[in-house]
Amino acid sequence: DIQMTQSPSSLSASVGDRVTITCRASQGISNYLAWYQQKPGKVPKLLIYAASALQSGVPSRFSGSGSGTDFTLTVSSLQPEDVATYYCQSYYSAPFTFGPGTTLDIK
Amino acid sequence: EVQLVESGGGLVQPGGSLRLSCAASGLIVSSNYMIWVRQAPGKGLEWVSVIYSDDTTYYVDSVKGRFTISRDSSKNTLYLQMNSLRAEDTAIYFCASDPAYPRGRNWGQGTLVTVSS
Repeated sequence: DIQMTQSPSSLSASVGDRVTITCRASQGISNYLAWYQQKPGKVPKLLIYAASALQSGVPSRFSGSGSGTDFTLTVSSLQPEDVATYYCQSYYSAPFTFGPGTTLDIK
Repeated sequence: EVQLVESGGGLVQPGGSLRLSCAASGLIVSSNYMIWVRQAPGKGLEWVSVIYSDDTTYYVDSVKGRFTISRDSSKNTLYLQMNSLRAEDTAIYFCASDPAYPRGRNWGQGTLVTVSS
């Protein structure tokens, strides 16, 4: 089974900062990688699919990159409404494991 | 507009059973990858199960042999039959869908399952 790890587990940054979250797969998954945002008490929301494709309606300050085993989610200019937990997920082969999450808040 | 509405959660004793439902509108359940994801209180997301349009199913190891995913095309509804429930199955259960891959493009609001005596 493919294992997903994320770093850091939590992150505090200032409004306007550039923020990067890393996701690593235990084996190559090509670009079969999705990123989700879950705000406190809310349903997860798909942000990025195919490692770098922005889901419709998602602000352009979010971007994804990577292929194989190493992936990043970047927020180019952090906004207060970006406070959330971010999860990566491999959909390369079952089980389609989520990463443990990265909690992002405002400093 | 796609809408997924889960139901069937509740309080059940260890060893008991529940059947969760996910009623869909704005999409055809049998043509989509339909997924169950759970989230234990204060914890992260855990992928549970998927059913493909060709009826292929997969499960996370911790529920294999206890949970069964299925769908009813006439009702456009996804199900998760959960047997031999354990305390560690306590979670909010979300259904999700995607037309192209086993990922979560659309999500329901979730239904809470509590396994406790």
